[in-house]
Amino acid sequence: KQEVTQIPAALSVPEGENLVLNCSFTDSAIYNLQWFRQDPGKGLTSLLLIQSSQREQTSGRLNASLDKSSGRSTLYIAASQPGDSATYLCAVRNFGNEKLTFGTGTRLTIIP
Amino acid sequence: GAVVSQHPSRVICKSGTSVKIECRSLDFQATTMFWYRQFPKKSLMLMATSNEGSKATYEQGVEKDKFLINHASLTLSTLTVTSAHPEDSSFYICSAMGARTSGPYEQYFGPGTRLTVT
Repeated sequence: KQEVTQIPAALSVPEGENLVLNCSFTDSAIYNLQWFRQDPGKGLTSLLLIQSSQREQTSGRLNASLDKSSGRSTLYIAASQPGDSATYLCAVRNFGNEKLTFGTGTRLTIIP
Repeated sequence: GAVVSQHPSRVICKSGTSVKIECRSLDFQATTMFWYRQFPKKSLMLMATSNEGSKATYEQGVEKDKFLINHASLTLSTLTVTSAHPEDSSFYICSAMGARTSGPYEQYFGPGTRLTVT
């Protein structure tokens, strides 16, 4: 059974700093991995999707990497801004399975 | 594109009543829809998967008779919480996935429905 863990559970950093969020998964037979953002009381916004054959994906100040063999992914946020404050969730999809398994989330606070 | 809506966004109901939540794909045909539940400060827990025109597949521990799911068309799925109790209070989120192509099997998420049972 796939299990997804995110560390840390919460993170506070001053505005302008670069930061890394971590995601690990137990079953490396994944089809893809996706990073989401969730604002309080809101739904999910997809940030980046990495296929199993890819090593990284970039969108603006965000860069997500994937190391399938070690069961890890990182989300790098450059030059953080207060508007980046939110909960970040990673989720994986295994081969032959439509379901997403979500991680526990990292609650990020950017201090102005 | 790929917009998913949910209605209502918030609902308060009395214990013992039933409440229906709608999930719609606005600009694509969703062959598969997923229903999740999220407790405060927790991650999303998949409740069930529904394919258009067939019965939903429920995850272990989710009561089929309590959480009725209907996926009657390619753009609409409904979740009915029957005989609601305070412990059913939660944030319910749906997602939708289109017909399989060579694409990445991406799910598109709705904005969620906050259910409070008094």
